[in-house]
Amino acid sequence: GQQVMQIPQYQHVQEGEDFTTYCNSSTTLSNIQWYKQRPGGHPVFLIQLVKSGEVKKQKRLTFQFGEAKKNSSLHITATQTTDVGTYFCAGVWTYKYIFGTGTRLKVLA
Amino acid sequence: EAGVTQFPSHSVIEKGQTVTLRCDPISGHDNLYWYRRVMGKEIKFLLHFVKESKQDESGMPNNRFLAERTGGTYSTLKVQPAELEDSGVYFCASSQAGTDTQYFGPGTRLTVL
Repeated sequence: GQQVMQIPQYQHVQEGEDFTTYCNSSTTLSNIQWYKQRPGGHPVFLIQLVKSGEVKKQKRLTFQFGEAKKNSSLHITATQTTDVGTYFCAGVWTYKYIFGTGTRLKVLA
Repeated sequence: EAGVTQFPSHSVIEKGQTVTLRCDPISGHDNLYWYRRVMGKEIKFLLHFVKESKQDESGMPNNRFLAERTGGTYSTLKVQPAELEDSGVYFCASSQAGTDTQYFGPGTRLTVL
């Protein structure tokens, strides 16, 4: 069956440092989505990547989709305390969503 | 426009009792999903409705869980009888027909004692 692995599970960074989380799927994806969940909140959609090798940017966030459409990464440049939360990827196969375990980011001021 | 709403926000019940969770999707969204997140683990897919029909219920853990979406609007998820391992946060999400972007509700935190 389809599986989505996400690493690392936790990351503590000093404010201003960069942060990256990685997502790997056991099978080729239709697309991949990224979500952010603030402590005590609910997942909020960030972005969707559809094309092989796609790269999208949102301010300090850079999202990449692998050439084989089986892996993805989210990179945050110069983290800020507002970046704190858990970042989830979700592999999508025609309306079926499988979430990664999430990476909990803590930013130390 | 109102987002996805869920009720209740918290529920504490004893093992063996019944609990019903409710989700109101964004108006006009045909797709409705239920997910569960157990403490510190991944968000696990439970099932997917398209309007009032169950498109995929492969994630439902067992027959103690029953989901309905009468009339294709709001949905309920009933757990009967509840077990300790059912504790977690139950999220509902909805999306428009033909799109993949899901909008999540705030979740219902269920604690089974």
